[in-house]
Amino acid sequence: DQQVKQNSPSLSVQEGRISILNCDYTNSMFDYFLWYKKYPAEGPTFLISISSIKDKNEDGRFTVFLNKSAKHLSLHIVPSQPGDSAVYFCAASALVGGNKLVFGAGTILRVKS
Amino acid sequence: NAGVTQTPKFQVLKTGQSMTLQCAQDMNHEYMSWYRQDPGMGLRLIHYSVGAGITDQGEVPNGYNVSRSTTEDFPLRLLSAAPSQTSVYFCASRSGGVNTEAFFGQGTRLTVV
Repeated sequence: DQQVKQNSPSLSVQEGRISILNCDYTNSMFDYFLWYKKYPAEGPTFLISISSIKDKNEDGRFTVFLNKSAKHLSLHIVPSQPGDSAVYFCAASALVGGNKLVFGAGTILRVKS
Repeated sequence: NAGVTQTPKFQVLKTGQSMTLQCAQDMNHEYMSWYRQDPGMGLRLIHYSVGAGITDQGEVPNGYNVSRSTTEDFPLRLLSAAPSQTSVYFCASRSGGVNTEAFFGQGTRLTVV
């Protein structure tokens, strides 16, 4: 039973355009959502997060949107750069239930120059 | 600060052998976790700890053992390695506050033959 789903295994985008990565969740107790970026042979690194009391959080080229009624969040990268090519993981946690981080399967983003 | 340090980076085991994957963090984080990454499966939680002396099972705990005798260290033991445990293992730590991100180690690539 996957509580966090990333239904697109891969995404290809032209440099300079917008990249939109999507994530759905099933557990309504999740109250904190995070995006991680992972390069090959490295550990995941934190990118951006959003609390359930917000619907948008922005950090430079990265914006995360949260739609609680749809149990959906998305990561927007504008403009996309070749260095953004990586695997992106969506994660969620619930304070109730041990605050464990639950991850999606990941989306491979390729930014073409 | 070194952050989260995992050793070894690579390991090949024969079926039935046992070994310990080491994880240490120098950020005084209460929470520590072990994940495994498999193609198409994302990061799955094996075991986690909310503080020294306290551990609990994650999503895929079978075949693994953990202990947390100090805040800094969280070793993962494979009791009798099986080919199904071939994977990349990541250790993560996180402070105990609300809405905090996890920091990951560089990973251990384990092959069981």
